[in-house]
Amino acid sequence: NAGVTQTPKFQVLKTGQSMTLQCAQDMNHEYMSWYRQDPGMGLRLIHYSVGAGITDQGEVPNGYNVSRSTTEDFPLRLLSAAPSQTSVYFCASRPPPGTGGFLNYGYTFGSGTRLTVV
Amino acid sequence: GQQLNQSPQSMFIQEGEDVSMNCTSSSIFNTWLWYKQEPGEGPVLLIALYKAGELTSNGRLTAQFGITRKDSFLNISASIPSDVGIYFCAGQLGGADGLTFGKGTHLIIQP
Repeated sequence: NAGVTQTPKFQVLKTGQSMTLQCAQDMNHEYMSWYRQDPGMGLRLIHYSVGAGITDQGEVPNGYNVSRSTTEDFPLRLLSAAPSQTSVYFCASRPPPGTGGFLNYGYTFGSGTRLTVV
Repeated sequence: GQQLNQSPQSMFIQEGEDVSMNCTSSSIFNTWLWYKQEPGEGPVLLIALYKAGELTSNGRLTAQFGITRKDSFLNISASIPSDVGIYFCAGQLGGADGLTFGKGTHLIIQP
């Protein structure tokens, strides 16, 4: 049981390049989400999904695309990277309400992808 | 978007002291969560609160869900060196929604 796995851990992109940040979970969690963390800003929600085929926008969705073709995977795509997207990106997952103990109600986070756009 | 005001921004305390931090919001949440983050890692869930007025403990940690559903506090008793880190509050409106985070409280323990 690996939990939430994010790859790569570090990435440097040039402005205008595209890339996909990978997120996979092996806990059969239906709910998944992506956050970015900037210094002094806390974590901000980019996109989230409540199940395969269902996604929705969070607080800061511009410049990012997501899709959810399987329960396990929730990739985040940067279509044309900009320096403003330099950040640490976290993926998180949780089971739907009503399952498991209280700690299962909170999102489990991956260890992050540190992205620098130059 | 919604914002959570978390205070204090940082705390410098002595080992063994009790710690208190809080979070307020301009709008209601139906779930309050407290996370801890250490360098290079993702946030780890400490306590989850689901009912207004609820008081929940997890070891030396105690958190409360404010009666107005617009605030929460976290207390840590008898701090130890491994308590060092950044503590985040997070609110969730509905079960399927993502989280809204505060900006964090950086806890530093002086020897």
